Amino acid sequence: NAGVMQNPRHLVRRRGQEARLRCSPMKGHSHVYWYRQLPEEGLKFMVYLQKENIIDESGMPKERFSAEFPKEGPSILRIQQVVRGDSAAYFCASSPRREGSPLHFGNGTRLTVT
Amino acid sequence: GEDVEQSLFLSVREGDSSVINCTYTDSSSTYLYWYKQEPGAGLQLLTYIFSNMDMKQDQRLTVLLNKKDKHLSLRIADTQTGDSAIYFCAETSNTGNQFYFGTGTSLTVIP
Repeated sequence: NAGVMQNPRHLVRRRGQEARLRCSPMKGHSHVYWYRQLPEEGLKFMVYLQKENIIDESGMPKERFSAEFPKEGPSILRIQQVVRGDSAAYFCASSPRREGSPLHFGNGTRLTVT
Repeated sequence: GEDVEQSLFLSVREGDSSVINCTYTDSSSTYLYWYKQEPGAGLQLLTYIFSNMDMKQDQRLTVLLNKKDKHLSLRIADTQTGDSAIYFCAETSNTGNQFYFGTGTSLTVIP
């Protein structure tokens, strides 16, 4: 049973380019969360999605960031016109969202903006 | 959002017990979790406790919950060098969408 799969593991982008981070949840999980982790900091919630729906995007920056979880395929976190401050580890987690079900995390994508 | 607080660093000698503490503010918290993060990896679920429980034991791990004080702790018995990692507590409620994470406690085990 494959866990949460994120790719790429490492992504380098120049300022102004676009970054696309992919997440395939665990089999049977229809809920996806994205978190950002900066060095020496904890996890910051970004967005919570179900298939084809954004449920809570209260942690997403208002500009340049977007997320989707289509009916078919992985969830995508998209960052347009990246800046150096976007450099971080981005983690995806999935859950079947039954009461008490914990989040299961991928190994993250480490974005470096040069 | 809700506040979940942890001390940043803990250092113990191999073979000793480690106690990692966490406080939270959400009185409607229903489930509380402990995760472990090793360098370069994602978060691995260690254990979790339902809010109507006071204690849960799982091999070397003991979780204690004081709901009145909103205090959660993780005790690792006979700490090994492989336990060196960052430990996160997290909480959620059955009415909310979010899982709130603490800042993480970096545990260093000295041989």
